[in-house]
Amino acid sequence: QKEVEQNSGPLSVPEGAIASLNCTYSDRGSQSFFWYRQYSGKSPELIMFIYSNGDKEDGRFTAQLNKASQYVSLLIRDSQPSDSATYLCAVRPTNAGKSTFGDGTTLTVKP
Amino acid sequence: EPEVTQTPSHQVTQMGQEVILRCVPISNHLYFYWYRQILGQKVEFLVSFYNNEISEKSEIFDDQFSVERPDGSNFTLKIRSTKLEDSAMYFCASRQGRGGTQPQHFGDGTRLSIL
Repeated sequence: QKEVEQNSGPLSVPEGAIASLNCTYSDRGSQSFFWYRQYSGKSPELIMFIYSNGDKEDGRFTAQLNKASQYVSLLIRDSQPSDSATYLCAVRPTNAGKSTFGDGTTLTVKP
Repeated sequence: EPEVTQTPSHQVTQMGQEVILRCVPISNHLYFYWYRQILGQKVEFLVSFYNNEISEKSEIFDDQFSVERPDGSNFTLKIRSTKLEDSAMYFCASRQGRGGTQPQHFGDGTRLSIL
């Protein structure tokens, strides 16, 4: 079982729609969860992080965390073509500094 | 906004040669990391560094790799004898302090090409 698993892509949504990206993790003791956006050939760019169960909203982005189900998701509302990128889920175990990344989900927003 | 700076942006090296990748973390950050990403694959952890010593390393980080913080600002990754499979993007990241909730901030990366 992969440590961090993301829904396989690619994911394609029309402009203005909601894009839903999902991630599950295997280490029940994980403490912090991060969503990064990565454009082709570029570095990961932090979008959101969450560490408490529930929802966290920032503009068009909402992160959702359910530790009991070991599940974290990212919703992008009113998707724009500029949101087209690979989205990386990263998980940090308790008391450890490194982040473990999923394989990423490639999102395409079609005008 | 402060950022992590990496140089060079692209390094081309002959197999077997030594290479040093350089990073300047954000100035008040205390934790430093190197990750790599082989083309088309996921971001992989290499090593973390705190208080002038390695705090954790992955199985990728073998004896050919080393890290150093030679002064108060630079953080370097050295690969002693490069192999073809070392070709990848190498990302440096830094984090402010204790507490698992603080995010890592990534530099733009160095693309390493081994010929």
